[in-house]
Amino acid sequence: SQKIEQNSEALNIQEGKTATLTCNYTNYSPAYLQWYRQDPGRGPVFLLLIRENEKEKRKERLKVTFDTTLKQSLFHITASQPADSATYLCALTQDNAGNMLTFGGGTRLMVKP
Amino acid sequence: DGGITQSPKYLFRKEGQNVTLSCEQNLNHDAMYWYRQDPGQGLRLIYYSQIVNDFQKGDIAEGYSVSREKKESFPLTVTSAQKNPTAFYLCASMDRAGELFFGEGSRLTVL
Repeated sequence: SQKIEQNSEALNIQEGKTATLTCNYTNYSPAYLQWYRQDPGRGPVFLLLIRENEKEKRKERLKVTFDTTLKQSLFHITASQPADSATYLCALTQDNAGNMLTFGGGTRLMVKP
Repeated sequence: DGGITQSPKYLFRKEGQNVTLSCEQNLNHDAMYWYRQDPGQGLRLIYYSQIVNDFQKGDIAEGYSVSREKKESFPLTVTSAQKNPTAFYLCASMDRAGELFFGEGSRLTVL
């Protein structure tokens, strides 16, 4: 069966450290993968998109990697700040999915001062 | 400002009642989506529409209905056939790059 797995346990890190979140998928051939941030009681906000032929994408303190062999994406936040505390969702779409995005369960990140 | 507007933000429903959640966008996007989110869970797709007057079922369409009579509007009706409707409902539209733009959500509680 198809699965998108993110660590359901919260990730707690110290301010200034690099946070690394993992997204693993099974039985998908994603055309591209996205990461979103969601604050409590709010809608998700788009962060980064990476295509199947790209290995890495960066945006300010954010970096995403995409390994189609390992079927995994890693999401990094460098120099983390308490304001980065939120739930981070990965989502992917397949070539033939008609722009239908499927989401993982999300990982909650807590950055402590 | 451009964006997705969902209403109401909070909604209470008695068992056996149908309720309709509104979703309006002024981003000129063709594709629109409805997701359901349960506490501590990810988003599950209910329905999506890629063009006016056309829509497709997602993974959990049972007990829900939609319409897409205008490009800007994609309302979701939660019918009495939906056995566990208490959840956070999110509407989104997608741009041509594949990025989703979400509304602020509607929280439905069944009394």
